[in-house]
Amino acid sequence: ETGVTQTPRHLVMGMTNKKSLKCEQHLGHNAMYWYKQSAKKPLELMFVYSLEERVENNSVPSRFSPECPNSSHLFLHLHTLQPEDSALYLCASSQTVTGLPYEQYFGPGTRLTVT
Amino acid sequence: AQSVAQPEDQVKVAEGNPLTVKCTYSVSGNPYLFWYVQYPNRGLQFLLKYITGDNLVKGSYGFEAEFNKSQTSFHLKKPSALVSDSALYFCAVRDMNNFNKFYFGSGTKLNVKP
Repeated sequence: ETGVTQTPRHLVMGMTNKKSLKCEQHLGHNAMYWYKQSAKKPLELMFVYSLEERVENNSVPSRFSPECPNSSHLFLHLHTLQPEDSALYLCASSQTVTGLPYEQYFGPGTRLTVT
Repeated sequence: AQSVAQPEDQVKVAEGNPLTVKCTYSVSGNPYLFWYVQYPNRGLQFLLKYITGDNLVKGSYGFEAEFNKSQTSFHLKKPSALVSDSALYFCAVRDMNNFNKFYFGSGTKLNVKP
């Protein structure tokens, strides 16, 4: 459970606020992911970083801005969000995405509420 | 397009009975399939995966999954359910055209009654 940590665990923000979500992995992985989890919907892949380079941006609105300063840390910067952005945001990590089917390890998530 | 489907929102079983959580997939080529479990207020935990070889895959906590190519299914099973197995279960497939992507089902809530 402590392999991937996320802070804060809960966040309430207004539509005009700017906040950041933080993820840290202690597993020596070199790929990191952001997912959005909404009730009764499939997990939505948002961003993928491999070897600190963004390799996937899954048509995510620009009000979400990721940052990966090194292979252990991943941020999601939030600004001018909408109420429909309220969800559980999950961070995950895995070995590098070079074709081998490595499983992902997930953090506990940040429960975001946009008011 | 790659996708997985979990046809049941919820599965209810009595403790001690066998359980099955269903998953079907749609991929081009050979699939890489995964099962994850999510307990309340926790992230997803990896249970097992199918890559190739034996169609019956064994995983954590006594779970296993059967890969059936002709039915394009990867159902999760356990011979004897525990109350502590109550959780949300997700099936996932890796995109064979873009290894950066995983596609998850919408989840199945398993409720094991004492």
